[in-house]
Amino acid sequence: KQEVTQIPAALSVPEGENLVLNCSFTDSAIYNLQWFRQDPGKGLTSLLLIQSSQREQTSGRLNASLDKSSGRSTLYIAASQPGDSATYLCAVTPSYDKVIFGPGTSLSVIP
Amino acid sequence: GAVVSQHPSRVICKSGTSVKIECRSLDFQATTMFWYRQFPKQSLMLMATSNEGSKATYEQGVEKDKFLINHASLTLSTLTVTSAHPEDSSFYICSARWHEQYFGPGTRLTVT
Repeated sequence: KQEVTQIPAALSVPEGENLVLNCSFTDSAIYNLQWFRQDPGKGLTSLLLIQSSQREQTSGRLNASLDKSSGRSTLYIAASQPGDSATYLCAVTPSYDKVIFGPGTSLSVIP
Repeated sequence: GAVVSQHPSRVICKSGTSVKIECRSLDFQATTMFWYRQFPKQSLMLMATSNEGSKATYEQGVEKDKFLINHASLTLSTLTVTSAHPEDSSFYICSARWHEQYFGPGTRLTVT
């Protein structure tokens, strides 16, 4: 059974710091892995999607890597800003009709 | 890009009543839509998979008679919470599949 975990559960950093969020999954048989952002009481915003054949994806200050064999992904946020404060969810797609979410990392960037 | 909408965004209902939540794919057709539930400070859990023209597939532990799903067209799926109770209060998010899953903005349900 596929399980997704995220470390840390919560993170508080001063503005300007670079930071790394971690995601682990137990079964390496996935189609893709996706990082989402969720603001309090809001829906999901897709940040980056990495196909199983890819190693990383970049969008602006965000960089996500994928190591399928070890069941790990990291989301790197450069030069963090208060507007980055949100919950970040990692999700894997083990089959065409399934998306399994991790519990999320709650990020707070202090001005 | 592919857009999925949900209506309403927030709803408050009294215990024992039913409430319907709509999920629409605005610029693509989706034969399959998904319904998730998110309790406070928890992640999203898949409730059911909705297939156009056929019965929904429910995840283990989800009561199909309580959470009625109707996928009436290729752009619309509805979730009806019947005889709602306070413990049904949650954030419900739908997604629609078009190459990948696109998520709606969610519906906050509060049952008083």
